Amino acid sequence: EAQVTQNPRYLITVTGKKLTVTCSQNMNHEYMSWYRQDPGLGLRQIYYSMNVEVTDKGDVPEGYKVSRKEKRNFPLILESPSPNQTSLYFCASSLSSGTVYEQYFGPGTRLTVT
Amino acid sequence: QQQVKQSPQSLIVQKGGISIINCAYENTAFDYFPWYQQFPGKGPALLIAIRPDVSEKKEGRFTISFNKSAKQFSLHIMDSQPGDSATYFCAASYYRTTSGTYKYIFGTGTRLKVLA
Repeated sequence: EAQVTQNPRYLITVTGKKLTVTCSQNMNHEYMSWYRQDPGLGLRQIYYSMNVEVTDKGDVPEGYKVSRKEKRNFPLILESPSPNQTSLYFCASSLSSGTVYEQYFGPGTRLTVT
Repeated sequence: QQQVKQSPQSLIVQKGGISIINCAYENTAFDYFPWYQQFPGKGPALLIAIRPDVSEKKEGRFTISFNKSAKQFSLHIMDSQPGDSATYFCAASYYRTTSGTYKYIFGTGTRLKVLA
């Protein structure tokens, strides 16, 4: 089954404790992206990757890091989480980024930082 | 100029009624307008999309109406069903020549509830 998976689905952590949210897709997609969803703000892009070893900042990259060492994986790293990063996070992938292909979203990771 | 304004924030419709969600944009560089449907606990999923060279696109009970001159587009759900209860996001996309990628700007979402 073609899908985007994220782990963990739920995470409660404390300020400053480094964490990683994993994202994996099995569709051989080139383009992967991270979004955060906040009430009243919709989805905002954090980082995206056009292919292996090629990443770039989205609209709200502060406090986040990403890496793309393999085509299927695109982890999101919060090196020193703060309460304002409490949010619902989605990973998405699409076949390519140079034209409009459907974006497939993962099931989401709900992060709470206390 | 990068915003996509979506309304209403929430919508309650009787079963069998028509649900209408509206979006407006400013950036004329946008050239792809998808709508996403999100059920609780799930990620958004593409519902229907339109390019600005057509004024309407219909897929089953779902229709996008597009008004290029007014920079507005809307989603119409005909014969709304309780199973349509979800959050709907409009989006607009444009091609970034600096990175060679398409960028998506999402609306703030509309929570639809269809009463049985």
